[in-house]
Amino acid sequence: NAGVMQNPRHLVRRRGQEARLRCSPMKGHSHVYWYRQLPEEGLKFMVYLQKENIIDESGMPKERFSAEFPKEGPSILRIQQVVRGDSAAYFCASSPPTGGDNEQFFGPGTRLTVL
Amino acid sequence: QKEVEQNSGPLSVPEGAIASLNCTYSDRGSQSFFWYRQYSGKSPELIMSIYSNGDKEDGRFTAQLNKASQYVSLLIRDSQPSDSATYLCAVTCNFNKFYFGSGTKLNVKP
Repeated sequence: NAGVMQNPRHLVRRRGQEARLRCSPMKGHSHVYWYRQLPEEGLKFMVYLQKENIIDESGMPKERFSAEFPKEGPSILRIQQVVRGDSAAYFCASSPPTGGDNEQFFGPGTRLTVL
Repeated sequence: QKEVEQNSGPLSVPEGAIASLNCTYSDRGSQSFFWYRQYSGKSPELIMSIYSNGDKEDGRFTAQLNKASQYVSLLIRDSQPSDSATYLCAVTCNFNKFYFGSGTKLNVKP
């Protein structure tokens, strides 16, 4: 009974490179959420997706950031032309389809370091 | 702007005592409330969810919700050093988008 999976767990990029973060939700979950957490700070909502749909991206920076959740495969958070300020922990969470418990369960996170 | 406020702490309690963690929220339309525990360097772990006014108990944990006062709390009885972590309060009004507080750091001293 695998939980939410994220990879890679640690990612190092130089300024200007692309970072690609992956998230596979729990079995039976169709909703995926991405959050960013800076050291000693709370979780900041970025985007909420269902299969092939972006439902709410109000927390996503307007430039360089994009997310998708294709029909097959994991959800991907992509950060283009990374800058030092993108260094953070990025957490993915998933929840069951609407109508059931709406609790979100988190993956282990990807720690992004931009050099 | 929806706000979820928590005292950052640290809150220090002796082992065996009751730890009381508090959270206030600004959106009166909020419907679901959650407490997560996060150990340093780890991901948040769901501890409790509460949806209606009153108390909800699960083992050593009790969540309390007062919608009129826009206040939710978490009590940890018989605190253990292993309870030392940051506790995040989360609130949602549309069953999807969660708003998290910045967390309260709890220190349980042996």
